[in-house]
Amino acid sequence: AQSVAQPEDQVNVAEGNPLTVKCTYSVSGNPYLFWYVQYPNRGLQFLLKYITGDNLVKGSYGFEAEFNKSQTSFHLKKPSALVSDSALYFCAVRGTRDTGRRALTFGSGTRLQVQP
Amino acid sequence: EAQVTQNPRYLITVTGKKLTVTCSQNMNHEYMSWYRQDPGLGLRQIYYSMNVEVTDKGDVPEGYKVSRKEKRNFPLILESPSPNQTSLYFCASSPGTTNTGELFFGEGSRLTVL
Repeated sequence: AQSVAQPEDQVNVAEGNPLTVKCTYSVSGNPYLFWYVQYPNRGLQFLLKYITGDNLVKGSYGFEAEFNKSQTSFHLKKPSALVSDSALYFCAVRGTRDTGRRALTFGSGTRLQVQP
Repeated sequence: EAQVTQNPRYLITVTGKKLTVTCSQNMNHEYMSWYRQDPGLGLRQIYYSMNVEVTDKGDVPEGYKVSRKEKRNFPLILESPSPNQTSLYFCASSPGTTNTGELFFGEGSRLTVL
């Protein structure tokens, strides 16, 4: 069975500082990894994904994530946080062998709070 | 505008009263799925559909039904809702036949069963 762990319920960072939201995963075989963001009363919005290739993936709104196979991690990063980045962030994994269900297994989410 | 549309967005109902949450996408996506979101549990897949007339169970299908008669629509049916189905529900779709694509989510439907 596949799983995702987001060890921090909340991350607080000052505006302008770099931010990191942590994610580790467990899956049989190679992973497809995703980050989504959820703003209040809205659906999840896709930020970025890792399928194969370069371990550093760049996505929307200046976010990036680094895939580390040995540590089974896919941490989300941004060099300079904005107050508008405050939201709930979800990491998700799908096994490459899952060609049918295509189910994403989500972490429990990390709330990012950026202080002015 | 490309989007996944769910209705209703908010619903309060009573135990046993059948209800349907509609989902429609305008992106011609083959794949559609329903998730429920509960605090501390992230999102869990209820049902999915690879294409028209092809549906299958996800991780938490008990108490739910779906149908896929048209490519764009994927309604979620609660035949006899119970309080443990109080949750936030999301419909999602994805293009193509590979499993590398991201999901596009609707805005969510908050359901309360009394």
